Parts: sequence; C-alpha cells; structure tokens
Amino acid sequence: ELKVEQNPLFLSMQEGKNYTIYCNYSTTSDRLYWYRQDPGKSLESLFVLLSNGAVKQEGRLMASLDTKARLSTLHITAAVHDLSATYFCAADPAGANNLFFGTGTRLTVIP
Amino acid sequence: DGGITQSPKYLFRKEGQNVTLSCEQNLNHDAMYWYRQDPGQGLRLIYYSQIVNDFQKGDIAEGYSVSREKKESFPLTVTSAQKNPTAFYLCASSIGATKGTQYFGPGTRLLVL
Repeated sequence: ELKVEQNPLFLSMQEGKNYTIYCNYSTTSDRLYWYRQDPGKSLESLFVLLSNGAVKQEGRLMASLDTKARLSTLHITAAVHDLSATYFCAADPAGANNLFFGTGTRLTVIP
Repeated sequence: DGGITQSPKYLFRKEGQNVTLSCEQNLNHDAMYWYRQDPGQGLRLIYYSQIVNDFQKGDIAEGYSVSREKKESFPLTVTSAQKNPTAFYLCASSIGATKGTQYFGPGTRLLVL
C-alpha cells in the first residue's frame, strides 16, 4: 500500500523566513497534489504537479516534484501570517482509483 | 455557482442510531469520495464512486454505507456499527474516473451524544 509521509508535522516560523515542507511517497505516482486546510474548514486545492521536474508557483508558495526520488516539496518564501494553515500533499499512484493523503504539516507563522 | 455542498454542518448522533450525511455537487463530475478526518490527522478514505450505481470501499468502510443513485448525489450513512463516529467528514468530487484534482465540500462535523 502506498504510504505518504510529510515532514515536519509541525512547523513554527517567523514572518519573513523561508522554509520547505517535504512529501515522500513510497510507490510510483502519476501526479502529486498540494492542499491547504484552515482550522475547522475544508481543503482547498493549491497545486497539481503532473510530471517529473514540474514546478508550480503561486505567491509565496512554490511546489516541485521529483518522481525519481518520489519526493515533492512545498517551499515557503518570506512567510506571512496568512499562510498559517495545515498543508497536505496527496499522491496519485498508478493503477489506483483514489488519492492517498499525507498526515499534514501544521504551519504557524509568528509575527 | 458550481460547487459541492454538504449538510448538515453539524450532526449529533445518539447511541444505536443511524445518521445520513448529504453530499451534492453540480460540477458534473463523475467521481465522488467520502473521507474521514480525526483531530490532528490526515484524511482517510471511506468510500468512493466512479460512476452512478457503482461504488467501492476505501480503507475504513466498516460501519458506513453509501449509495449513488444520481450523478450529483453521494450520501453517506453512519450506522450504529460504527463505534467511534466522532470526526469531521469531507466529501469530494473529481472530473472522472481517471482522477484529477479532487474538490472538497465544506464538511460535516459529527458528534456523539
């Protein structure tokens, strides 16, 4: 069974700093997704990474995918308080009919 | 506006009672999903459906049942066999059986009285 691991699980960072969240998955996956969840709310789609070497950027967030290493990263540049949320990655393994979600990274940006 | 709606927002269940959570989408998506999220945890798949009148069990289907009589609707019943139903339930849909981005509803929080 596919395992999707994120680290760190908890991340507290100061405004203006940079940091990276890592997402490792255990078997070949066609695509990799990143979602954001605010407390008590639903999940919002951030990025879809479709192939090896894919890079997507939106504002202060940049996601990348290395299918050979089975690794995706979510890089945060110059963090602001509004980025405080839980971030999930989800892998889309070949031959499966659903996504497999990581456990999430709870990000807190401190003013 | 296109989207996914879930109701109710909060639901209280008495012991031994079956309760049904509603999920409706007007995105014309073929595939629909139900997930359970426990506090501080990730999402676990309960059931999914790729087409009307067909559905498959996910990782934690025991104590739950679903139906898919219409493309736009995928209700989830939490039966009395589910001994620990307190959780946040999320419904999602995607454009087709080949998956793609899943879009999530606002969720239903189920609490046991």
